[in-house]
Amino acid sequence: QKEVEQNSGPLSVPEGAIASLNCTYSDRGSQSFFWYRQYSGKSPELIMSIYSNGDKEDGRFTAQLNKASQYVSLLIRDSQPSDSATYLCAVTGTASKLTFGTGTRLQVTL
Amino acid sequence: KAGVTQTPRYLIKTRGQQVTLSCSPISGHRSVSWYQQTPGQGLQFLFEYFSETQRNKGNFPGRFSGRQFSNSRSEMNVSTLELGDSALYLCASSQTGRVVGELFFGEGSRLTVL
Repeated sequence: QKEVEQNSGPLSVPEGAIASLNCTYSDRGSQSFFWYRQYSGKSPELIMSIYSNGDKEDGRFTAQLNKASQYVSLLIRDSQPSDSATYLCAVTGTASKLTFGTGTRLQVTL
Repeated sequence: KAGVTQTPRYLIKTRGQQVTLSCSPISGHRSVSWYQQTPGQGLQFLFEYFSETQRNKGNFPGRFSGRQFSNSRSEMNVSTLELGDSALYLCASSQTGRVVGELFFGEGSRLTVL
């Protein structure tokens, strides 16, 4: 079982729709959770962090965390073509190592 | 404020050679992490340095090594290069290192091993 799992996609959503990206993790002691966005040919960029159960909203982005289910998600409202990128879920486990998922490629279509 | 700077950006080496990559973190950032990114494996953690000490290490062979200097700049070295070492090597810095995960990445060094 991979430490951090994501569906590789591509996830295709029409412009203006809600994109829902999901991630599961195996280390039950994990405490910190992050979403990074990586455009093609660029380096990852931190867009959201979440540390406690529930929702955290920042503009069009909402991160959701459920530690009991070992599940973290990212919702992007009013998706724009500029949101087309690979979204990486990252988790800090009990060994204080940051582990990345392999990413979900999002395509926002016109 | 300048971002994370990695040099060189691109390099080509042959099997058996060694390579040194350099990373200058954002001013004031004391933690530097290194990652290897490949299409098949994604981002794989190599090691993390904080105040010149290796604080964490990933599951890579001993051919991969690193160090951090007193000015927080970091280098990583790969000896006896193999074809499978071809990858994008990313350096990331963070401010205090207390929160392991809020990272600022450089543009990377793309290594091709022939």
